[in-house]
Amino acid sequence: EADIYQTPRYLVIGTGKKITLECSQTMGHDKMYWYQQDPGMELHLIHYSYGVNSTEKGDLSSESTVSRIRTEHFPLTLESARPSHTSQYLCASSDRTVTDTQYFGPGTRLTVL
Amino acid sequence: GDSVTQMEGPVTLSEEAFLTINCTYTATGYPSLFWYVQYPGEGLQLLLKATKADDKGSNKGFEATYRKETTSFHLEKGSVQVSDSAVYFCALHRSGGSYIPTFGRGTSLIVHP
Repeated sequence: EADIYQTPRYLVIGTGKKITLECSQTMGHDKMYWYQQDPGMELHLIHYSYGVNSTEKGDLSSESTVSRIRTEHFPLTLESARPSHTSQYLCASSDRTVTDTQYFGPGTRLTVL
Repeated sequence: GDSVTQMEGPVTLSEEAFLTINCTYTATGYPSLFWYVQYPGEGLQLLLKATKADDKGSNKGFEATYRKETTSFHLEKGSVQVSDSAVYFCALHRSGGSYIPTFGRGTSLIVHP
């Protein structure tokens, strides 16, 4: 059973607010990812990390930032939320076995008014 | 680069019907192939996988065979249930620390009683 957690599950905030979406995993995985999922369900990679102090931007341009100070924790921060940031955000981690299976959190549904 | 193409949805079926969701890929070498499932309000979870050509992955009555000659990994189930209603993602992974998985756009399945 995968153990990856995201908080909050749902968030409604006003424009201009700073927010942090939390993601934690207890599996000791080195790799972690943030995806934005649009209403059509397609996944867009916005950030990823290979390990502590490693962060990279993904394919989708994003105004968010991430940090990886501890192996188990990979928070995503929006300095100034806008309505265009309204979306579902999914965090994932993966092991280093040959198959590199991804384990996903339940997601955070963000609405910016 | 790598890419995954899966059939567009939604796929709408009656209970006990046969299901096929097509997935084809473009990649060099020998990637691993995956199907993930996303139930409403949840994150993605691994459904099945195959790591080499001619391997068959199976789980919960779903099957998919890794066909290198046709670069395909079609998902099948002989008799779907209402509880199978979800979004299904085909994905391609490679071994190696720096590789980022490639996902298809997702196919929504709706099963009616």
